[in-house]
Amino acid sequence: QKEVEQNSGPLSVPEGAIASLNCTYSDRGSQSFFWYRQYSGKSPELIMFIYSNGDKEDGRFTAQLNKASQYVSLLIRDSQPSDSATYLCAVKGYNQGGKLIFGQGTELSVKP
Amino acid sequence: EAQVTQNPRYLITVTGKKLTVTCSQNMNHEYMSWYRQDPGLGLRQIYYSMNVEVTDKGDVPEGYKVSRKEKRNFPLILESPSPNQTSLYFCASSPGRGRPDTQYFGPGTRLTVL
Repeated sequence: QKEVEQNSGPLSVPEGAIASLNCTYSDRGSQSFFWYRQYSGKSPELIMFIYSNGDKEDGRFTAQLNKASQYVSLLIRDSQPSDSATYLCAVKGYNQGGKLIFGQGTELSVKP
Repeated sequence: EAQVTQNPRYLITVTGKKLTVTCSQNMNHEYMSWYRQDPGLGLRQIYYSMNVEVTDKGDVPEGYKVSRKEKRNFPLILESPSPNQTSLYFCASSPGRGRPDTQYFGPGTRLTVL
């Protein structure tokens, strides 16, 4: 089992819809969870981070964390064509210093 | 401007010819990392450094070396490159303290080993 797994894409949603991206992780000691967005040919950029169980909202983005189920998700409301990108889930364990583990990414396509 | 820079951006080389990819950050960050990105495999950490002269292996360190002699620089060295090291490489830095410990990525280096 991979340490961090994301639902396979590509995921296609119509403009204005909610896009739901999912991620599971295997290390129960994981403490920090990140969502990065990567446009084609570009480097990843951080869009959300979450540390505590529950929801965290930032504009159109909501990160959800359930440590008991070892599950983290990203919801994008009112999806726009500019949201079309690959979304990477990343997890850091407790006392892991600089060690960050990424999922394989989910490609999102928002159709006008 | 706060940034992570990498050089070169593109490199085509041949098997066995030693090469170095440089990485520099101007944000006074403690942590620096190297990743490779391959289709279907996502980003995989090669090495990371939590401070000057402190480095540790990531998930795929074989065939790579790093050094951290200065806080701002973290070069990646391929002593004897092989075709399976053809990949897109990213350097990243992060503060190392506090939350969020956001990683800032460089623009990437596309390496082809023939």
